[in-house]
Amino acid sequence: DAGVIQSPRHEVTEMGQEVTLRCKPISGHDYLFWYRQTMMRGLELLIYFNNNVPIDDSGMPEDRFSAKMPNASFSTLKIQPSEPRDSAVYFCASSLGGTDNEQFFGPGTRLTVL
Amino acid sequence: EDQVTQSPEALRLQEGESSSLNCSYTVSGLRGLFWYRQDPGKGPEFLFTLYSAGEEKEKERLKATLTKKESFLHITAPKPEDSATYLCAVQGDYKLSFGAGTTVTVRA
Repeated sequence: DAGVIQSPRHEVTEMGQEVTLRCKPISGHDYLFWYRQTMMRGLELLIYFNNNVPIDDSGMPEDRFSAKMPNASFSTLKIQPSEPRDSAVYFCASSLGGTDNEQFFGPGTRLTVL
Repeated sequence: EDQVTQSPEALRLQEGESSSLNCSYTVSGLRGLFWYRQDPGKGPEFLFTLYSAGEEKEKERLKATLTKKESFLHITAPKPEDSATYLCAVQGDYKLSFGAGTTVTVRA
């Protein structure tokens, strides 16, 4: 298996633009997680899905952020409009069986908002 | 509120010099404590899961232990390839929380 796949790997955009990050989880995994990592706040869980259904989005910072999982092999995290403080590395991870189990992380998307 | 604190923030070791990293936590209902390794520019990589006090797990030069209030990651006779940031995470009844990490540098 190729592991968790994220695209793009790097994204540079201007304030106010819409940004869409993409994730393909490991085949067969039923949980998908979106994280944000910054120097100041470390690794933060934004939202997670179970069988394509959002379970906990309490970590989503504000309404500008939205996430979808239309099927078991694809998820998106959208920021609209983007702001400079959204600059961070965004990770997607997947697991089998729940949040009590190990998670497999993707390589991340480094987002820079100018 | 669930909290995870890792210490020290950074650790510089000579090759072969054993040491320990600490992860102290407060959580409502521990369902699992996780250790991950993160190399620069990459996503975290799973190392261990511990579920109950007294549990221990080992992998090569790494050994993780768990008490009711903290976990230790022991690095025995480290090598330069053990250099990385080690993250601790705690799954409580309501939330998964990560610590800020300990960055370990092992000099040859």
